[in-house]
Amino acid sequence: EPEVTQTPSHQVTQMGQEVILRCVPISNHLYFYWYRQILGQKVEFLVSFYNNEISEKSEIFDDQFSVERPDGSNFTLKIRSTKLEDSAMYFCASSGPSGAPWDEQFFGPGTRLTVL
Amino acid sequence: EDQVTQSPEALRLQEGESSSLNCSYTVSGLRGLFWYRQDPGKGPEFLFTLYSAGEEKEKERLKATLTKKESFLHITAPKPEDSATYLCAVRLVTTDSWGKLQFGAGTQVVVTP
Repeated sequence: EPEVTQTPSHQVTQMGQEVILRCVPISNHLYFYWYRQILGQKVEFLVSFYNNEISEKSEIFDDQFSVERPDGSNFTLKIRSTKLEDSAMYFCASSGPSGAPWDEQFFGPGTRLTVL
Repeated sequence: EDQVTQSPEALRLQEGESSSLNCSYTVSGLRGLFWYRQDPGKGPEFLFTLYSAGEEKEKERLKATLTKKESFLHITAPKPEDSATYLCAVRLVTTDSWGKLQFGAGTQVVVTP
């Protein structure tokens, strides 16, 4: 069964460093998302991406964050200068095999980001 | 402000003891309510989508229902492998938003043998 994959599973970085989190969405999906979950808190929306551009972003997704689809399979989240409060589980999700954004979103296993 | 509230926060069940989880929402522009299962340290696993009041969906021991203001996830005769956190999420569609999911805090279910 097709699934969303994410690498790495765990990333440890120093405050102020740049990190890139990688995702491979399900191959026939058209809509891509990043969410995050701080330990013990709700899953929070960060950004949605369609047709090679950001469709929507939350207040969390400030200038330190960027997303890219560098080729036909990968979808990346870059945090330019990490802060302690960026420590969280980051989930990639994809949807839209029918071309409709309201299809169910399938989530990857997550990348645990630890900022020291 | 749009709200998604799940109750109870935690539920401890004996194997075979059926129960229900609640997800209530106070949102406008609802276009779909989703149930996910999340195991510790893992990503949410899709279970169901409900779109309109009165709709029901079933999968093994799980059944999801939807009214105008809330959804229930019924667990019938649970087994220990049903232990997980169950997340409810709503999709809102407005002039500025079409796809993002707003999640509740989840109900942590523990089923003991």
